[in-house]
Amino acid sequence: AQSVTQLGSHVSVSEGALVLLRCNYSSSVPPYLFWYVQYPNQGLQLLLKYTSAATLVKGINGFEAEFKKSETSFHLTKPSAHMSDAAEYFCAVSDASGTYKYIFGTGTRLKVLA
Amino acid sequence: DGGITQSPKYLFRKEGQNVTLSCEQNLNHDAMYWYRQDPGQGLRLIYYSQIVNDFQKGDIAEGYSVSREKKESFPLTVTSAQKNPTAFYLCATRKGELFFGEGSRLTVL
Repeated sequence: AQSVTQLGSHVSVSEGALVLLRCNYSSSVPPYLFWYVQYPNQGLQLLLKYTSAATLVKGINGFEAEFKKSETSFHLTKPSAHMSDAAEYFCAVSDASGTYKYIFGTGTRLKVLA
Repeated sequence: DGGITQSPKYLFRKEGQNVTLSCEQNLNHDAMYWYRQDPGQGLRLIYYSQIVNDFQKGDIAEGYSVSREKKESFPLTVTSAQKNPTAFYLCATRKGELFFGEGSRLTVL
């Protein structure tokens, strides 16, 4: 069975500071991993995805994530936070066999302080 | 532009009433999904459909029903049997990753 754990339901950073949002997964098969962002009362937008190619994945808006198999982690980072980054972020896992199942974490709400 | 359209954006319903949420897509994707989102619980899968005229229950299907008569459309009915229907509902399609609509917020009065 697959699962996703996001550590920290709320994270606050100062504008210009490093953003680090944590995601650990559990999967018995090679995983596909995703980060999505959600702004209030909107749908989810894909930030980046890992599909077994390069372990360091670059996404939109300056975000990137590194797949670490030994740590079963896929943490999301951005070197310098911007006010517009304030949103909720979701990590999700699927499996490489192409089944329908996408498991989402419970989300991390990012607050950016001026 | 290609995309996923959910309607209505906001919906209020009295207890005991069925309501139907619309989801239309012009991305030509075969697979479509319905998720429910509650604060602090992430997204939970209600139903999904891999192809026209076929759909399967997800993790929380009780009190919901769907149909998939056309590739473009995957409506969700929230029935009176759903004990706690107030939530944000998201429709998605799949091609490699999930693509989401803007969501529908249902409030039961």
